[in-house]
Amino acid sequence: ELKVEQNPLFLSMQEGKNYTIYCNYSTTSDRLYWYRQDPGKSLESLFVLLSNGAVKQEGRLMASLDTKARLSTLHITAAVHDLSATYFCAVDRASGTYKYIFGTGTRLKVLA
Amino acid sequence: DAGITQSPRHKVTETGTPVTLRCHQTENHRYMYWYRQDPGHGLRLIHYSYGVKDTDKGEVSDGYSVSRSKTEDFLLTLESATSSQTSVYFCAISESGGRSYSYEQYFGPGTRLTVT
Repeated sequence: ELKVEQNPLFLSMQEGKNYTIYCNYSTTSDRLYWYRQDPGKSLESLFVLLSNGAVKQEGRLMASLDTKARLSTLHITAAVHDLSATYFCAVDRASGTYKYIFGTGTRLKVLA
Repeated sequence: DAGITQSPRHKVTETGTPVTLRCHQTENHRYMYWYRQDPGHGLRLIHYSYGVKDTDKGEVSDGYSVSRSKTEDFLLTLESATSSQTSVYFCAISESGGRSYSYEQYFGPGTRLTVT
């Protein structure tokens, strides 16, 4: 059974600091996705990682994928308050099924 | 923004009544999904569709059924609503085209369902 684990589940950090969110998954998958959700809102796609070694960056966020380690990271550089949200990773259950398993999310709070 | 709407956006219903939620897309995407979101569980897949009249179960499909008679509409039915089905329901769509076969998902605004 495919499992997707994120850690930490909650993260409170000061503005200007760096931190990393981890997403581990239990079976082989070549596609990993990161989403952001603001309170009471829907999910917004952040990154799509399609191969081993893929790295994507958008502003203060950078995501990477290591398929051999079954690990993706979401790195936050010099956090700002606007990054406060819940971040989810999701993995394609198995090749060809297009069924996704989501992690439980990391709630990030950036303190001024 | 991807053209996805959900209706109703909020609903309160009584235990034992049937409920149908609608997802409508204007993107002509092949894949459509229904998820539920509950605290501590993230998003869990209920059912998904890979084409008109082609559907499959997700990880929490008991008590739910779906139908897709047109590309643009995906209906989720709670056959006899229970309090455990109180949740926020999200519809999503994806397609292989666009970003190099990424199958990136786009989410609707959500439906908040309360079963009393």
